[in-house]
Amino acid sequence: DAGVTQSPTHLIKTRGQQVTLRCSPKSGHDTVSWYQQALGQGPQFIFQYYEEEERQRGNFPDRFSGHQFPNYSSELNVNALLLGDSALYLCASSLGAGTAKNIQYFGAGTRLSVL
Amino acid sequence: AQSVSQHNHHVILSEAASLELGCNYSYGGTVNLFWYVQYPGQHLQLLLKYFSGDPLVKGIKGFEAEFIKSKFSFNLRKPSVQWSDTAEYFCAVISGYSSASKIIFGSGTRLSIRP
Repeated sequence: DAGVTQSPTHLIKTRGQQVTLRCSPKSGHDTVSWYQQALGQGPQFIFQYYEEEERQRGNFPDRFSGHQFPNYSSELNVNALLLGDSALYLCASSLGAGTAKNIQYFGAGTRLSVL
Repeated sequence: AQSVSQHNHHVILSEAASLELGCNYSYGGTVNLFWYVQYPGQHLQLLLKYFSGDPLVKGIKGFEAEFIKSKFSFNLRKPSVQWSDTAEYFCAVISGYSSASKIIFGSGTRLSIRP
């Protein structure tokens, strides 16, 4: 049973570029959440997708956008990259949105470095 | 705004010592509480969770946590640590029901165990 998988593992970009990160949820899960983890910090919630729609959003600018596909996989897009976007981006999957008792399972993350 | 505070940034213990990591949250309503662990080079894993009922919850690998509502605390404990417990520990909260699945994480506590 595959867990949450993310690709790529590492990515190096320059300021102003755009990046797309990908996530496949754990088998049987239909909800995907994205988090940004800066060095030495806890993960910060970016947004959550359920039924191919963005359901919740954290305090991130519109440069951060996402998408969920019919197979529940998801993409995180970041436009006009800034140095401060350098971080570990985590994807978490769960079953169903709308209940606080969902257990989220995390992927290993994508390490993004912006030069 | 909701927040989670972990007061110890780095804790260093010898093997067999007892462990207590502090966690306080700021939210007056219903909360669901979690401790996640991130071993070196691995993804975030759920250690234990509290939804309701007995405020003393037991998790994997001998960890336990106590929810004290009056103190807004959810401290993590282990009577005797092992070298393999070296990791980063994150306290997290989901508040209420309307903001379902949006996890607020603390900044983490790095635990180093001396063999």
